[in-house]
Amino acid sequence: QKEVEQNSGPLSVPEGAIASLNCTYSDRGSQSFFWYRQYSGKSPELIMFIYSNGDKEDGRFTAQLNKASQYVSLLIRDSQPSDSATYLCASHTGGFKTIFGAGTRLFVKA
Amino acid sequence: DAGITQSPRHKVTETGTPVTLRCHQTENHRYMYWYRQDPGHGLRLIHYSYGVKDTDKGEVSDGYSVSRSKTEDFLLTLESATSSQTSVYFCAISPRQGNTGELFFGEGSRLTVL
Repeated sequence: QKEVEQNSGPLSVPEGAIASLNCTYSDRGSQSFFWYRQYSGKSPELIMFIYSNGDKEDGRFTAQLNKASQYVSLLIRDSQPSDSATYLCASHTGGFKTIFGAGTRLFVKA
Repeated sequence: DAGITQSPRHKVTETGTPVTLRCHQTENHRYMYWYRQDPGHGLRLIHYSYGVKDTDKGEVSDGYSVSRSKTEDFLLTLESATSSQTSVYFCAISPRQGNTGELFFGEGSRLTVL
């Protein structure tokens, strides 16, 4: 069974700090990776994707991928209370297989 | 906004009754998906469609069927609802040509089976 693992949290950080969210995956055939943000009672919203090893930055968000270690992370700089949500990591192996982790709850304290 | 609407948004039903959830999209996307989301399990794929009348099973398809008779509508049917099918159901589309793994989700349908 191919899996994506995340710490369920909650991860609590003070406002203005860097939040670091981590994810591991088991399928070495995974080609691309995604981070979704989900506010309570709402649908998941795509915030970042990454295909290549290394870092990808978009505003306050940086996605990091290490295929050798099968590890994906999301850094949120200058965390704001509005970033408080559950963050879902997902891997795509091609075809129609996108596997989601169960999510990490992030709480940013004002 | 990917132009996806789901109906009904909330439904309570009894064990053994059939239930149909509807996903409607307005932007002519080819690929559509039904996921369910349960605490501790993340999102799990039920069925997907890659065109009109072209559908296939996902990882948790038992007890569910789907139909897609036109591009804009993807229906999920629980033939005889069970309590284990109490969940939040999300419809999703892939916005790009081909399936790249990027997904945009509808608002969700919360189903309670008593």
